[in-house]
Amino acid sequence: GNSVTQMEGPVTLSEEAFLTINCTYTATGYPSLFWYVQYPGEGLQLLLKATKADDKGSNKGFEATYRKETTSFHLEKGSVQVSDSAVYFCALSALYSSASKIIFGSGTRLSIRP
Amino acid sequence: GAGVSQSPRYKVAKRGQDVALRCDPISGHVSLFWYQQALGQGPEFLTYFQNEAQLDKSGLPSDRFFAERPEGSVSTLKIQRTQQEDSAVYLCASSLTRRYEVRETQYFGPGTRLLVL
Repeated sequence: GNSVTQMEGPVTLSEEAFLTINCTYTATGYPSLFWYVQYPGEGLQLLLKATKADDKGSNKGFEATYRKETTSFHLEKGSVQVSDSAVYFCALSALYSSASKIIFGSGTRLSIRP
Repeated sequence: GAGVSQSPRYKVAKRGQDVALRCDPISGHVSLFWYQQALGQGPEFLTYFQNEAQLDKSGLPSDRFFAERPEGSVSTLKIQRTQQEDSAVYLCASSLTRRYEVRETQYFGPGTRLLVL
């Protein structure tokens, strides 16, 4: 079946550090891949997405590249800010599946020190 | 414009009580999803509506869980005879088009945090 495995947290970094949060997936068919972010006290927000192999999603300085050969969609940011502190969820939605609901990873809590 | 709203934001119930959780999707959105998010976990799919039709309820954990969307807009998730294991955040999401448009973004509400004592 479809599943998402992401790096366990919490991850604590200093401001302006480089961020990588690893995510790998298992899916039948051709999934679309997503990163969602949940800021404290707020709902889930779509951060970025990629719908086919080699696509790069980007938003707010975050990037992730859809790598079919390694079934990965790692999240990166070159210089994190305190305001990036949140929980990040990697997710997939399978194309041509009868159940195109979103499958989420377990989340990675990120804390940025000033 | 207004996003997805949910009420109540917090609910404390005694074991055995019935609860009803409300979701107001973005106006005009065809698809509506309910998810359950246990503490420290990612959301897990419960059920899906396309307009008023419930097309997928494969994620509902037991027959104590019931969802409806009678007029194709507001939806209610009802849990009967609540148990402690029902304690979780219940998220509602809506999207503009049909479920098979997998590139379509799902917009999430803030969730209802349910605690069953």
